[in-house]
Amino acid sequence: KAGVTQTPRYLIKTRGQQVTLSCSPISGHRSVSWYQQTPGQGLQFLFEYFSETQRNKGNFPGRFSGRQFSNSRSEMNVSTLELGDSALYLCASSLLPGQGRTQYFGPGTRLLVL
Amino acid sequence: KNEVEQSPQNLTAQEGEFITINCSYSVGISALHWLQQHPGGGIVSLFMLSSGKKKHGRLIATINIQEKHSSLHITASHPRDSAVYICAVRPSNSGYALNFGKGTSLLVTP
Repeated sequence: KAGVTQTPRYLIKTRGQQVTLSCSPISGHRSVSWYQQTPGQGLQFLFEYFSETQRNKGNFPGRFSGRQFSNSRSEMNVSTLELGDSALYLCASSLLPGQGRTQYFGPGTRLLVL
Repeated sequence: KNEVEQSPQNLTAQEGEFITINCSYSVGISALHWLQQHPGGGIVSLFMLSSGKKKHGRLIATINIQEKHSSLHITASHPRDSAVYICAVRPSNSGYALNFGKGTSLLVTP
């Protein structure tokens, strides 16, 4: 069974631009979560989607948004990029949301904002 | 103050040594995860615990809910165990959001 895939793997943008990242979960998994990882803050939760609905959102500004499609694929969008948005963005999928579910992580998208 | 504290931050061990990484948290939780991240970024979920102890190969994870503490042990360490180990907790009132520790960077030398 193929793992979680994320595209693109690397991305360079300039301040003020916007970016869209994509995540395809493991086949059959319906829950997708997004995380941001920076050297200073470590891993931080962005949001979680299940059945095309956002179930949880972390403490990030409204510039960060996401959605999930009927095939469970998910995208996240960051508008008006800032230098501090440079990070590794990870998505993780699980069969169902909720407590006690093991998550499977994708390889991440490394975003550099210049 | 981060809700999840890991120690040590960095750890160097010789091949074959027994290794312990600690995680303390300050909130009530429904689950605790141990994750492994290799250079390049890929993360693997090692354990998910809500009580007691779990073992997988040379890895053992324990949790004490009353003391709000978990440990990850690696027996007979090997250079391929070199990675960052991250503790993450799911607070009881957070739905599915995970709070992460800063990670422990482990280097095992031959």
